[in-house]
Amino acid sequence: AQTVTQSQPEMSVQEAETVTLSCTYDTSESDYYLFWYKQPPSRQMILVIRQEAYKQQNATENRFSVNFQKAAKSFSLKISDSQLGDAAMYFCAYRSARGNEKLTFGTGTRLTIIP
Amino acid sequence: NAGVTQTPKFRILKIGQSMTLQCTQDMNHNYMYWYRQDPGMGLKLIYYSVGAGITDKGEVPNGYNVSRSTTEDFPLRLELAAPSQTSVYFCASSQYAGGEMANYGYTFGSGTRLTVV
Repeated sequence: AQTVTQSQPEMSVQEAETVTLSCTYDTSESDYYLFWYKQPPSRQMILVIRQEAYKQQNATENRFSVNFQKAAKSFSLKISDSQLGDAAMYFCAYRSARGNEKLTFGTGTRLTIIP
Repeated sequence: NAGVTQTPKFRILKIGQSMTLQCTQDMNHNYMYWYRQDPGMGLKLIYYSVGAGITDKGEVPNGYNVSRSTTEDFPLRLELAAPSQTSVYFCASSQYAGGEMANYGYTFGSGTRLTVV
């Protein structure tokens, strides 16, 4: 079974600075997808960014980018120019490219933005 | 364009009571899921469905039941509620994984906060 580990329960960053959230995963599969979800206090789960394992290029969405290291099974999220609205829980998630589409989540990192 | 709609948003149950959490999606997604999120934890899969009439257990199915009679609806039934079922419940949907569709994430509902006392 796949597992996803987020070793940083909490992180904080000064507004306008850059922060990196860590995620590692364990799988025996070669084809899969990785995601970062944001959960603000409203509780809504919002997809931030996704990465296909077969792509070497790291995904980027505006101020959000990932560092995908397939051999190391690492998938970190970098948030540049942090804004107050970035404050939330961030979950890393894994999904196999085959089978029944289940997402496996990490335990989350709570990100605080310091004004 | 509602996406995934969950009702109710909040509920307090007494031990031993039963209830159904409703979930409806209007995107014609064939995959639907129920997750629970305990404080300080990630989401754990309760049940999922790959299409109408087909359901299967996830990691933590005990104490729950589901049905999928239509593509749109995927209700979660709690029988004999217990304090251990106090949690936030999320319903989600996704489209079949194949080709370019495979990298789509889930669409989540806004969650139901359930307290069992």
